[in-house]
Amino acid sequence: GESVGLHLPTLSVQEGDNSIINCAYSNSASDYFIWYKQESGKGPQFIIDIRSNMDKRQGQRVTVLLNKTVKHLSLQIAATQPGDSAVYFCAETGSSNTGKLIFGQGTTLQVKP
Amino acid sequence: GAGVSQSPRYKVAKRGQDVALRCDPISGHVSLFWYQQALGQGPEFLTYFQNEAQLDKSGLPSDRFFAERPEGSVSTLKIQRTQQEDSAVYLCASSPDRVSSEQYFGPGTRLTVT
Repeated sequence: GESVGLHLPTLSVQEGDNSIINCAYSNSASDYFIWYKQESGKGPQFIIDIRSNMDKRQGQRVTVLLNKTVKHLSLQIAATQPGDSAVYFCAETGSSNTGKLIFGQGTTLQVKP
Repeated sequence: GAGVSQSPRYKVAKRGQDVALRCDPISGHVSLFWYQQALGQGPEFLTYFQNEAQLDKSGLPSDRFFAERPEGSVSTLKIQRTQQEDSAVYLCASSPDRVSSEQYFGPGTRLTVT
């Protein structure tokens, strides 16, 4: 079946360090991947996306890497700040043609001042 | 501009009651999705609308769940005869295109069934 999983449930980093959050997906037919950030009591907030024809995409302080060979996705956050503390979800479209997203369970990022 | 809004933000229902959850998507967005998020879990897909057409309802857990989007804008998710296992956050998301594009999420409705 289709599944998206995250390697670690909690990641603790020092303020100013770089963070790397990993995600494994199972459906090789997925063509679109998104990282979301969710703070307590709020809906998921878009961070960055990547299509399957790319292997890297950069945003402001964030980079997403896609390795289709091993079906692995990662989110890199540069110079992590206390405001980055949240739960991070990766999501994929799977084999759906409707755009519905399949989410992983989430990684909690804790930033220590 | 305004994002996706949902109401109510919190709902407490006694077991067996019917509830209706409302979603106002971003104006002009074609696609609308409902997700259910259990505590400590990622969101799980419930149903999808393209304008007023419900094209995918494969994620609805039972026939007690019903969703509609009659005019292709506002959507309502209705749960009949609520059960304790229905307790969750219900998230609505909209996107401007039909497939594979960024989905914008609302704040969710936290449903607690007692």
